[in-house]
Amino acid sequence: QSALTQPASVSGSPGQSITISCTGTSSDVGGYNFVSWYQQHPGKAPKLMIYDVSNRPSGVSNRFSGSKSGNTASLTISGLQAEDEADYYCSSYTSSSVVFGGGTKLTVL
Amino acid sequence: QITLKESGPTLVKPTQTLTLTCTFSGFSLSTGGVGVGWIRQPPGKALEWLALIYWDDDKPYSPSLKTRLTITKDTSKNQVVLTMTNMDPVDTATYYCAHRPTYRRFFDYWGQGTLVTVSS
Repeated sequence: QSALTQPASVSGSPGQSITISCTGTSSDVGGYNFVSWYQQHPGKAPKLMIYDVSNRPSGVSNRFSGSKSGNTASLTISGLQAEDEADYYCSSYTSSSVVFGGGTKLTVL
Repeated sequence: QITLKESGPTLVKPTQTLTLTCTFSGFSLSTGGVGVGWIRQPPGKALEWLALIYWDDDKPYSPSLKTRLTITKDTSKNQVVLTMTNMDPVDTATYYCAHRPTYRRFFDYWGQGTLVTVSS
């Protein structure tokens, strides 16, 4: 079971939109609609932002959206704000385990 | 309101066994579909899933660490315990426990994490 592949870093200016990709295989991302995304600020615990590919938990801004195509899932953040600067991790359930991505550092310029 | 909190030693020596306890409130591990997982994060590195325990005592483990991990639950105490044998400096990390909601496949509530350092 290998980690899901994410870009190490992405950046954008306030108000812009960015997309973070998360590539797996047909055994994880491509095989199930169980991709979730977590936001982590320095020194803090991860926070659930998206579950089941494209669903937002209550309280999460609608600026965050998720999608999937084949073995690649994506997190899009629109109307970028300074508070969005954080690390983002994707995760996928498989039939009996969990795998995380390598994480993406989002910098708001 | 669901809360989880990890506890255990902050420092262990190489080859020792680590025992971590997750004490939670706001849900019961006897409720069908519920689970508690352990995830760790070495300093400056990515999250890594370790193990899960479900209400029915099913216990999937990370394939790469399976031989070193044991996860158990005490439903009456609202606790989940993770043991990891043969600790090594590369196991230095913040260890988190997290709640998996009923029959769902994500972690919606996380503990604050506990930093464990492995050093002689």
